[in-house]
Amino acid sequence: DTAVSQTPKYLVTQMGNDKSIKCEQNLGHDTMYWYKQDSKKFLKIMFSYNNKELIINETVPNRFSPKSPDKAHLNLHINSLELGDSAVYFCASSQDERGARLRQETQYFGPGTRLLVL
Amino acid sequence: KQEVTQIPAALSVPEGENLVLNCSFTDSAIYNLQWFRQDPGKGLTSLLLIQSSQREQTSGRLNASLDKSSGRSTLYIAASQPGDSATYLCAVKGGYQKVTFGTGTKLQVIP
Repeated sequence: DTAVSQTPKYLVTQMGNDKSIKCEQNLGHDTMYWYKQDSKKFLKIMFSYNNKELIINETVPNRFSPKSPDKAHLNLHINSLELGDSAVYFCASSQDERGARLRQETQYFGPGTRLLVL
Repeated sequence: KQEVTQIPAALSVPEGENLVLNCSFTDSAIYNLQWFRQDPGKGLTSLLLIQSSQREQTSGRLNASLDKSSGRSTLYIAASQPGDSATYLCAVKGGYQKVTFGTGTKLQVIP
């Protein structure tokens, strides 16, 4: 059974298009993340959701909008795609609790979505 | 702002050698530190997670240590094998569950 799955695995599209990447985890975790890995292989966090609530929103353009319909899903919608959006996007999940009793659990990553904007 | 650096950026060793990968971070107020491996064109696989209250974790031939006060962690790989060839990443989790990744060490183990 796949713990964290992403679709599609590959995405090739034209500049200016709108696209979505889906992520699902079956681990029962309550926190999900989106990361971007650039051409130099550097991983940077974009968003973090806990129980469908946005926790972290790094300096990501407004063209990127995460949506969490339930705590097992965190989708990433990208409007008006630009060349610089080409990267590998990783979804991850972990079991964390907010507040004083923060649990410190392992993050599990999806296989990645390779986005190429032409 | 947390910054995470890994040294060396690349490492090539003959099979059977023991080796150490380094990870340093600038803000010692962390909740945990996690080591991952990434194979070319693949996702990340978690290797070890050390909580801020711990000093080391072991899994098979891997041993990770954490010195929070000095902002350092090491990943020790014993008796390296060609299958260990990959990029190794460390990641620290700070406040509000923000995770900062290091720059990675690309390891090649030569048969």
